Amino acid sequence: EVQLVQSGAEVKKTGESLKISCKGSGYRFTTYWIGWVRQMPGKGLEFMGIIYPDDSDTRYSPSFQGQVTISADKSIATAYLQWSSLEASDTAMYYCARLTGDNYFDFWGQGTLVNVSS
Amino acid sequence: SYELTQPPSVSVSPGQTASITCSGDKLGDKDVSWFQHRPGQSPVLVIYQDTKRPSGIPERFSGSNSGNTATLTISGTQAMDEADYYCQAWDSNTYVVFGGGAKLTVL
Repeated sequence: EVQLVQSGAEVKKTGESLKISCKGSGYRFTTYWIGWVRQMPGKGLEFMGIIYPDDSDTRYSPSFQGQVTISADKSIATAYLQWSSLEASDTAMYYCARLTGDNYFDFWGQGTLVNVSS
Repeated sequence: SYELTQPPSVSVSPGQTASITCSGDKLGDKDVSWFQHRPGQSPVLVIYQDTKRPSGIPERFSGSNSGNTATLTISGTQAMDEADYYCQAWDSNTYVVFGGGAKLTVL
């Protein structure tokens, strides 16, 4: 059974750093891109970027380039999304999802809620 | 950048057919996927490659895509189908593109 299990909810202050994770199981982790998707409160899904865990090839949405860093550790089948300095506007639910070779997300993580306040 | 446009809301009576559209330039030349997103849950893939249903998705969900418009159709809509629905396509420049989402209300 394919599963993507994300790290737990985070409560942070503005200016702090953060790294959330997404651990894959039930499939060969290195052969599928993993994507990150943001959902701000009351808003729609926004694509942030994707990473290919085998070689860490990473592609960012222009909207998120330079704002976040996506990485992966294939030895532990885990992808990451990190911020160096959080802003209140980063408050959102973040999902990871597996991207198929036909460019759609077939499995999703349970989401990680990030709450940033001053 | 490539954009997908959905109506913000769609209403349907129980048992009737709901149609949710997704528009984009020459969208018919791309593969479109659809996701159901219920509050408090993760998105669920309901249609991929325009018309295909993943295992476990009821037959009442179907999709089409032609010209500039893709459509998700839910036949015999049930109360449990009330959710936000997102279309998604792939663009070579911006990679994954989501529509803005359509809230389906069953009333």
